[in-house]
Parts: sequence; C-alpha cells; structure tokens
Amino acid sequence: EAQVTQNPRYLITVTGKKLTVTCSQNMNHEYMSWYRQDPGLGLRQIYYSMNVEVTDKGDVPEGYKVSRKEKRNFPLILESPSPNQTSLYFCASSQGASNQPQHFGDGTRLSIL
Amino acid sequence: DQQVKQNSPSLSVQEGRISILNCDYTNSMFDYFLWYKKYPAEGPTFLISISSIKDKNEDGRFTVFLNKSAKHLSLHIVPSQPGDSAVYFCAASAMTQKLVFGQGTRLTINP
Repeated sequence: EAQVTQNPRYLITVTGKKLTVTCSQNMNHEYMSWYRQDPGLGLRQIYYSMNVEVTDKGDVPEGYKVSRKEKRNFPLILESPSPNQTSLYFCASSQGASNQPQHFGDGTRLSIL
Repeated sequence: DQQVKQNSPSLSVQEGRISILNCDYTNSMFDYFLWYKKYPAEGPTFLISISSIKDKNEDGRFTVFLNKSAKHLSLHIVPSQPGDSAVYFCAASAMTQKLVFGQGTRLTINP
C-alpha cells in the first residue's frame, strides 16, 4: 500500500530536549516536504527536498533541520525545541515537484512544555 | 504575509445543494493551484488541481475555476454529500518548488 509514515504520532517533551520526527515513503517519490498546521494559519511549509541531498527552506524554517540522505526518508530535527514549536506536523511526498498531488502522512502532534 | 487566503473559516450547506469554497492569492508567479481535503486525525488528501493556463477543471462532482485577473479560485461541489464535510485547503505553487497553503475552510453538509 502506498503510504507516508510518520513517527511518533504524538509526543510531549520539554524545552531544549532534541527530538527527531521520522518520515518515510514507499512510493519512490523525489519530492518530500514538512508542514506545520496551526489554528487560523493553515499549513505552512517548513522545509522541502527535491531529491537526495537537495533540501531548501520553506516559509517557516527557523528552529528546524532536515536531511535527505536516502530517497525514502526525510527526518525533521528540532535541535532545541521551544514552546512555539508546539504544533501538528505533516510530512508529504510527491512524484516530481510541488505542483504534483502530494501524499500526506497522518500527522505528528508535538507538545513542547 | 499570507499569499494564499481563504477568507471563510467555515461554511454550512444543505445536502444536495452546491458548495462553493473560495480562495484568493496575491503572488502572480503562482502557476499551479491545488485543493486538498482533510478529515480529523488524518493527513490532507489531494482533491483537484488546475494549471494557470486553464480557467476550469472538472472531476466528477468537483469543479475548480480560476480567474487570473482577479487572482481568485473557487471549488464547486455539486451535489454536496455528507461525506464532503471536512476542512478544505487551497494551495498554490510557483515554479514547482514551494507550496503555499491557505488557512482552510471547514465545510459542514447538513442532512
């Protein structure tokens, strides 16, 4: 089954404790992206990757890092999480570029205390 | 600066009637527009898209209209069904790289 898998689905942690949210897709897609969803703001793009070893900033990259060492994986790293990063996060992938239909994971709800 | 705006946070429509969801954008470089639908506790799913070289695209009950001069697009759902109750996001892409989403509109279909 074609899918984008995010882990964990839920996490409560404390300020400053490094965390990684993993994202894996099994569709051999080139394009992968991370978004955060906040009330009244919709989905905002954090980082995207056009292919292996190619990443670029989205609209809200501050406080986040990503890597794309393999085509299927695109982890999101919060080196020193802060409360303003409490949000619902989605990973997505698509064949080709951002104008192709993206497949989304089911989301990761992060709470930073 | 919100480049893609959905000014109606919510919309309520009677089952069987037409639902019209609106989206405005400011960046004239956007060349592709997409609509996504989101149910609670799930990720968004792709619904329909339109290229800036077209003004209409239809897929079953769903039609997207693009008015480039007004920088406005709309999604029409006819007839509306209870399963259409969800949050709808419009999104826009420029030169195939970034994707910018609107704030979303919660559609409720009443029986």
